[in-house]
Amino acid sequence: DTGVSQDPRHKITKRGQNVTFRCDPISEHNRLYWYRQTLGQGPEFLTYFQNEAQLEKSRLLSDRFSAERPKGSFSTLEIQRTEQGDSAMYLCASSLETRWTQYFGPGTRLLVL
Amino acid sequence: SQQGEEDPQALSIQEGENATMNCSYKTSINNLQWYRQNSGRGLVHLILIRSNEREKHSGRLRVTLDTSKKSSSLLITASRAADTASYFCATNSGRNTPLVFGKGTRLSVIA
Repeated sequence: DTGVSQDPRHKITKRGQNVTFRCDPISEHNRLYWYRQTLGQGPEFLTYFQNEAQLEKSRLLSDRFSAERPKGSFSTLEIQRTEQGDSAMYLCASSLETRWTQYFGPGTRLLVL
Repeated sequence: SQQGEEDPQALSIQEGENATMNCSYKTSINNLQWYRQNSGRGLVHLILIRSNEREKHSGRLRVTLDTSKKSSSLLITASRAADTASYFCATNSGRNTPLVFGKGTRLSVIA
């Protein structure tokens, strides 16, 4: 399977704990995006990378959220000191810089108790 | 913030019928895309229409775009039970701007 993969698919954590999600994009895609989706809503953009450079991070929801793409391949999204309001689906997508279409992974569903 | 607003929020039809979903947006765009999401899964790209296009077809899908009204419609003809999903429109204003999604239309196709 050469699509976008995300790990884990599901995460249950207690309030105050840190969580980290991983995204592996389609191999030749140099752009990688993170979105958050809450129930009944469309995806909400968080941040994106071109290769290893994070080009937009002002939409990250708070300073508890951070993302990295150290070698321009996979990316991680970390949420520190999780809150119940962080419960959502976290989606990763990738694309070529020259193309408009984004390819989405299956998402990581986070539940904060 | 979400730019697109889909209408209706939910739609239930019989298999074989056509389904029409509408999307309105607020700012100028470079292109508009439609995505499908099966329950609890990731999104799948369906079709992209550029701001200088008025209509586009792909299989059973027909998309229209009216930039003067800032609106788009997605028509699925001869619907099937497998078309049951949520459908989202997403707009893109430029190469370095993020996709902005609407809230989606939940389509149920009853066999």
